[in-house]
Amino acid sequence: GAVVSQHPSWVICKSGTSVKIECRSLDFQATTMFWYRQFPKQSLMLMATSNEGSKATYEQGVEKDKFLINHASLTLSTLTVTSAHPEDSSFYICSAPMIGQGGGEAFFGQGTRLTVV
Amino acid sequence: ELKVEQNPLFLSMQEGKNYTIYCNYSTTSDRLYWYRQDPGKSLESLFVLLSNGAVKQEGRLMASLDTKARLSTLHITAAVHDLSATYFCAVDMDSNYQLIWGAGTKLIIKP
Repeated sequence: GAVVSQHPSWVICKSGTSVKIECRSLDFQATTMFWYRQFPKQSLMLMATSNEGSKATYEQGVEKDKFLINHASLTLSTLTVTSAHPEDSSFYICSAPMIGQGGGEAFFGQGTRLTVV
Repeated sequence: ELKVEQNPLFLSMQEGKNYTIYCNYSTTSDRLYWYRQDPGKSLESLFVLLSNGAVKQEGRLMASLDTKARLSTLHITAAVHDLSATYFCAVDMDSNYQLIWGAGTKLIIKP
C-alpha cells in the first residue's frame, strides 16, 4: 500500500528551541496532508490541514504562530514547533490521503515523539 | 459538530472469548476507519469501511458499518494475547479524509 514517511521518529529538544517534523508521501502525490497530536493515553486531535501551495488551515485552539506548517511540494509537508515548551511534548502524526478512481484512504506516518526538556 | 463515541474504553478479557467494540458517530458519514495502536507506536490500519452494510474480516477481527444507525462494530473472535492493544475508530468528516477520532478502547487479553 501507499507509504507515508515521517521524520524524525523521536526528538528531544531544549525549551525555547524549534523542531521541524517532515511528512512525505513516498509513492503518491498529496495536495492535502493532515497533522494530528496525541497526548499520552489519549486519542488523536486534528491540529491543522496542510494545503500544497497555500496556507494551512488550523483547528480552533491551535496557535498558528507556534505550529508552523509548510506544504511546499506535492509530496512534503513540514510542521515546525517553534519556541518549544515542555507542554508541547506529545506524539505528532501526519496523514496523507491517496485518492484513486474508486475512492481513497488516509495513510499515516510513523509518528514523531517530541520531548521538550 | 461531529462526535465519535467509542465503547467500552477499557476491556479486559480472557483468551478464547468473543467481544465487540462499538463506535457511534453523530452525523452522516459513509467512511469509517479502524486502527490499532501498540504502546509508543504509531497507527496500524485495520479496516476501511466505505459504504452502508460493509463488512470486512481479517483473521480474528471483523468490522461492520451501518450508516443508517451511525454505528460501526469491531468484533473479536476467540481472542488471543497478541491482540492486546488500543483500538481506535475514526470517521471521515465531509469525506475529505479529515478524521475525527473516538477515544480509543484499550484491550487487554489475558493468557
